[in-house]
Amino acid sequence: EAGVAQSPRYKIIEKRQSVAFWCNPISGHATLYWYQQILGQGPKLLIQFQNNGVVDDSQLPKDRFSAERLKGVDSTLKIQPAKLEDSAVYLCASSSKGLARSGELFFGEGSRLTVL
Amino acid sequence: GQQLNQSPQSMFIQEGEDVSMNCTSSSIFNTWLWYKQDPGEGPVLLIALYKAGELTSNGRLTAQFGITRKDSFLNISASIPSDVGIYFCAGPDLKTSYDKVIFGPGTSLSVIP
Repeated sequence: EAGVAQSPRYKIIEKRQSVAFWCNPISGHATLYWYQQILGQGPKLLIQFQNNGVVDDSQLPKDRFSAERLKGVDSTLKIQPAKLEDSAVYLCASSSKGLARSGELFFGEGSRLTVL
Repeated sequence: GQQLNQSPQSMFIQEGEDVSMNCTSSSIFNTWLWYKQDPGEGPVLLIALYKAGELTSNGRLTAQFGITRKDSFLNISASIPSDVGIYFCAGPDLKTSYDKVIFGPGTSLSVIP
């Protein structure tokens, strides 16, 4: 079974520029998560989708971050304009449990963003 | 929302030694999860615990769900170089009705050959 695919792996931009990250979850997984992991910290949930609907975006900085999951499959996370503090690894994860309370997530390798 | 704390923050051990790390919260969890993150990779689930008092093993790894439901520990026996990485505890936030998984800050493990 193919894992969670993310691209690009690395991106370097200057502040105030924009960037987009793409994620393709494991086939059939209804729930998709975007986490932000700042160096030395644990992953922090930015947004969670159930199929193509948002179930949680309470920690997404909506003035600069946006995400969509068209057709309930792959997803794109965008940052515009980027700030220095957005430098982090952006992890995408998926789960097959839907709204069940299992917590078993499958992560991609992450997209490392450096903002100069 | 709920928060998780982990200790120690980092560990440096000799190959062959046993390792113990723990995770605590001020509020209860119904599920405790332990993930490992290798350098440059995403976290991978090691062990999941679903019942208070539960003790579960996965090879050289053993984890326990605390009776108070506010803590969990992870033990690694006879450490080897490939155990190097960051270990995160995690769990579904009980303040939500969906599978919102929150993570602790992690314990970084270094193994000296």
